[in-house]
Amino acid sequence: GAGVSQSPSNKVTEKGKDVELRCDPISGHTALYWYRQRLGQGLEFLIYFQGNSAPDKSGLPSDRFSAERTGESVSTLTIQRTQQEDSAVYLCASSLGSGGHNEQFFGPGTRLTVL
Amino acid sequence: AQSVTQLDSQVPVFEEAPVELRCNYSSSVSVYLFWYVQYPNQGLQLLLKYLSGSTLVKGINGFEAEFNKSQTSFHLRKPSVHISDTAEYFCAVSKSYIPTFGRGTSLIVHP
Repeated sequence: GAGVSQSPSNKVTEKGKDVELRCDPISGHTALYWYRQRLGQGLEFLIYFQGNSAPDKSGLPSDRFSAERTGESVSTLTIQRTQQEDSAVYLCASSLGSGGHNEQFFGPGTRLTVL
Repeated sequence: AQSVTQLDSQVPVFEEAPVELRCNYSSSVSVYLFWYVQYPNQGLQLLLKYLSGSTLVKGINGFEAEFNKSQTSFHLRKPSVHISDTAEYFCAVSKSYIPTFGRGTSLIVHP
């Protein structure tokens, strides 16, 4: 079956512009995560969605970052007024449920470069 | 709070040699433990996980890991590596719905 997909795969933008990243999770997966991966670093948690519950936004680094999810389907991560330090790979993952024992299935990521 | 330490940022090894990638964690409660692999330009995929039971866990591609509660470690091992094992390996721990990932270890297999 289809895995997690993300688009675009690469995005180059100018400082100050807004960008929108998209994630299509695996069908039936109620939990969805966004992470940021800077070069040579581990994964930095950004935001978590579980079904129709209020998202956990505790990892968002600033109010320039926001994300939405429609039901249990597509999610978009928006970065407003991009800065050079936003350059990173943004990974999306989905899982069957919210428990810590659940495996996460990752998309290939969106590589964002802010010039 | 929980944290994960992967002591080696890079591990070079020759093909067919054994390898061990180290992972130590700290947590005030029992946790679930995972190893993920990331091949170039791809997302992460699960290698293996420890939830409970036997402390020796076997995963895909011939990898295994041993959970050691007293040393709070979950080291990843493979008795004989292949060129195709060259990738980034991430250890992760979780109890609630937000896992904590280590910084990753780059395994470089030389012919």
